[in-house]
Amino acid sequence: EAAVTQSPRNKVAVTGGKVTLSCNQTNNHNNMYWYRQDTGHGLRLIHYSYGAGSTEKGDIPDGYKASRPSQENFSLILELATPSQTSVYFCASGDRLGNTQYFGPGTRLLVL
Amino acid sequence: GDKVKQSPSALSLQEGTNSALRCNFSIAATTVQWFLQNPRGSLINLFYLVPGTKENGRLKSAFDSKESYSTLHIRDAQLEDSGTYFCAAGGNYAQGLTFGLGTRVSVFP
Repeated sequence: EAAVTQSPRNKVAVTGGKVTLSCNQTNNHNNMYWYRQDTGHGLRLIHYSYGAGSTEKGDIPDGYKASRPSQENFSLILELATPSQTSVYFCASGDRLGNTQYFGPGTRLLVL
Repeated sequence: GDKVKQSPSALSLQEGTNSALRCNFSIAATTVQWFLQNPRGSLINLFYLVPGTKENGRLKSAFDSKESYSTLHIRDAQLEDSGTYFCAAGGNYAQGLTFGLGTRVSVFP
């Protein structure tokens, strides 16, 4: 079974602060993804990556940056956090053919 | 939620009964994934589908790409089937999934 871990699991940040959410996968998957889940919107794609050094914009990239320094790690960066970015963030990995995506446990972010 | 519409939005089932959930797609879906989000918030993989059907225990799913819909059937519902079921559409280039808003299922004794 695929293994995707996220850290931290919970985070409280202040408006205007910098937040980095980390994701690690041990599946040797090429592709990784960041989604956010909000009531009334389901899960929405923020950024994704096809491999180390690659980042692509998803459907709602504004206010977020991503970094993929290695096959295993994919970070989501909020340079200037805002209360509207309060959400649950999920990371996922998948193979390059677009087969099954495996999700991490999620990170709850509260921006005050 | 507009590109992937799930119905019903909520469902209450008595233990032992059967039911069906549906997703309609207004985007070109080449694959579908179904997930169960449990009360702790974890997303559990149920099915990955290309056009066709799959069965796993009491669950059965079908995906018709020409008619742009997918179904998930729950047979002999159990209390542990409670949670929110999500379908998600995948495209040709592994660019990420487009999710529906989910169907909240409550199974009661």
